[in-house]
Amino acid sequence: DAMVIQNPRYQVTQFGKPVTLSCSQTLNHNVMYWYQQKSSQAPKLLFHYYDKDFNNEADTPDNFQSRRPNTSFCFLDIRSPGLGDAAMYLCATSRDSGGSYEQYFGPGTRLTVT
Amino acid sequence: GQNIDQPTEMTATEGAIVQINCTYQTSGFNGLFWYQQHAGEAPTFLSYNVLDGLEEKGRFSSFLSRSKGYSYLLLKELQMKDSASYLCAAMDSNYQLIWGAGTKLIIKP
Repeated sequence: DAMVIQNPRYQVTQFGKPVTLSCSQTLNHNVMYWYQQKSSQAPKLLFHYYDKDFNNEADTPDNFQSRRPNTSFCFLDIRSPGLGDAAMYLCATSRDSGGSYEQYFGPGTRLTVT
Repeated sequence: GQNIDQPTEMTATEGAIVQINCTYQTSGFNGLFWYQQHAGEAPTFLSYNVLDGLEEKGRFSSFLSRSKGYSYLLLKELQMKDSASYLCAAMDSNYQLIWGAGTKLIIKP
């Protein structure tokens, strides 16, 4: 089945220790998104890729970086995690064509910062 | 500014009907989405409305009024598994989703 995969599902890191979250998709969608979601809050868009074009949200901290080496994979790097970065990180994809804008989400990575 | 408003929490009884309302203000508009999110899981797509009116899909229906900036999600024949958060999201002129914080729906036997 075509899907969005995120690894790991749960990640524990220490304060200030860099961490990388990964996302892969078999949907061949050209747009990929990274969201941060804290409990009982709306998902917050961090960045998105339209094909290879990177789009950073204005209020995304510099501590967050992203890479998309190819269509299928996307990575979220948190250079120096703080306690406030503990959250669920959601990867999503969409196909920007044909009037279909539905975003397909991966299962998420729950990040704990100790 | 861009904004989505929806109730924080609702309670309903198994087998009943519940309507979850959403109002939105966006820069431009390219449609309204409803997603279901169970605790600790990712959102899953329920519906997309871009034209005024009611879209029915099994037990779930979604309504849109563009002139009023208003949508609702109607859930019929409620089941315990429908206990979840329901997220309303409006797509702006840049095709970006503006998300609400979600409505936590509690189903009681």
